[in-house]
Amino acid sequence: GIQVEQSPPDLILQEGANSTLRCNFSDSVNNLQWFHQNPWGQLINLFYIPSGTKQNGRLSATTVATERYSLLYISSSQTTDSGVYFCAVPKRGGGADGLTFGKGTHLIIQP
Amino acid sequence: KAGVTQTPRYLIKTRGQQVTLSCSPISGHRSVSWYQQTPGQGLQFLFEYFSETQRNKGNFPGRFSGRQFSNSRSEMNVSTLELGDSALYLCASSLAGFLDYEQYFGPGTRLTVT
Repeated sequence: GIQVEQSPPDLILQEGANSTLRCNFSDSVNNLQWFHQNPWGQLINLFYIPSGTKQNGRLSATTVATERYSLLYISSSQTTDSGVYFCAVPKRGGGADGLTFGKGTHLIIQP
Repeated sequence: KAGVTQTPRYLIKTRGQQVTLSCSPISGHRSVSWYQQTPGQGLQFLFEYFSETQRNKGNFPGRFSGRQFSNSRSEMNVSTLELGDSALYLCASSLAGFLDYEQYFGPGTRLTVT
């Protein structure tokens, strides 16, 4: 089945810093999503980005489907950006379908 | 437009009991998927329902089951609970499935089995 790897696993930054989170996937995919899991456990949609670049405020994402990776950029970090960031891709076949998630990047923004 | 809702939000059960969790998708969405999140295994796909039919299933034992109603609301049931079933259970809705449509997640149900 498809493998999804995220890096770095942990990241501690000061407020105002910029960061880049990476997601590598092992096979071609129809789409890719980035989520932010808040402290209460809810997954918040950040980007639905099969390819190309999208921006939403201080966040942007780029997916290079031909090279099987996606990047999430966070600029001018705020403490509310803290949490776990997941990328996920759809998987079909091999005994288990659904979205396959990476293990996440745990981001801590210190004031 | 209202988001995905899940009830209950928290639940404590005893080993051997059974539990039913509920998920109401975004209006107009016909696909509902369920996921289990644990610290050890991360987020894992349980199953997907579309138009009242189970369309896809993950690698979980038969104790985990679900159904979908004509209004697209979905329930999942876990019978004969085990300690290892303690987890955050998340449901996701999409227009027509995870392959080609954006998934939107509910707030989750946190299940503790004692």
